[in-house]
Amino acid sequence: GDSVTQMEGPVTLSEEAFLTINCTYTATGYPSFFWYVQYPGEGLQLLLKATKADDKGSNKGFEATYRKETTSFHLEKGSVQVSDSAVYFCALSPGSYNTDKLIFGTGTRLQVFP
Amino acid sequence: DTAVSQTPKYLVTQMGNDKSIKCEQNLGHDTMYWYKQDSKKFLKIMFSYNNKELIINETVPNRFSPKSPDKAHLNLHINSLELGDSAVYFCASSQDAALQETQYFGPGTRLLVL
Repeated sequence: GDSVTQMEGPVTLSEEAFLTINCTYTATGYPSFFWYVQYPGEGLQLLLKATKADDKGSNKGFEATYRKETTSFHLEKGSVQVSDSAVYFCALSPGSYNTDKLIFGTGTRLQVFP
Repeated sequence: DTAVSQTPKYLVTQMGNDKSIKCEQNLGHDTMYWYKQDSKKFLKIMFSYNNKELIINETVPNRFSPKSPDKAHLNLHINSLELGDSAVYFCASSQDAALQETQYFGPGTRLLVL
């Protein structure tokens, strides 16, 4: 079945460092991809999404490009802030009409220090 | 205004008890979901309802019974609680069950079974 694999955390960075969180997938059909962020003690918030191959999603300085040739949707940010410390989840939506759902990766904790 | 709300936020109870978690969305969405997040932060879908009808049931024990009195509400009732039910339960909603719809999550209900 469809699945998402994320890099193990935690990822520990200094403020203003470059961030990459890897996400690869296995899927049939035409999935869409999402990055969700979970701040401590809170629910999940949509960070960005991409709905077809080569689409780039972006928000708050974060970017991710849906690459079918490498089956990836890696999350990047050029300069992280302490306030970016959170757990990041990569997810795919398989694209099955009327039975759609999100399949999540295991999450990657990001810790940014001043 | 809160888009997707859940009550209670925290729930501590004894093994064997029956408990309910409520979810409401004011986004006018047709589809609602329940997800379970375990102690390792892994998120997995449990149920999905579209216009009050069950469309996804991911082999969840029948001690878990979702109920949707109208399309703005999806409640989760759990009978005979077990230790392994301890988790964070997230409700979510999307415009409909069609392709690629963004899901909006509630703040989560932290359930601890003693």
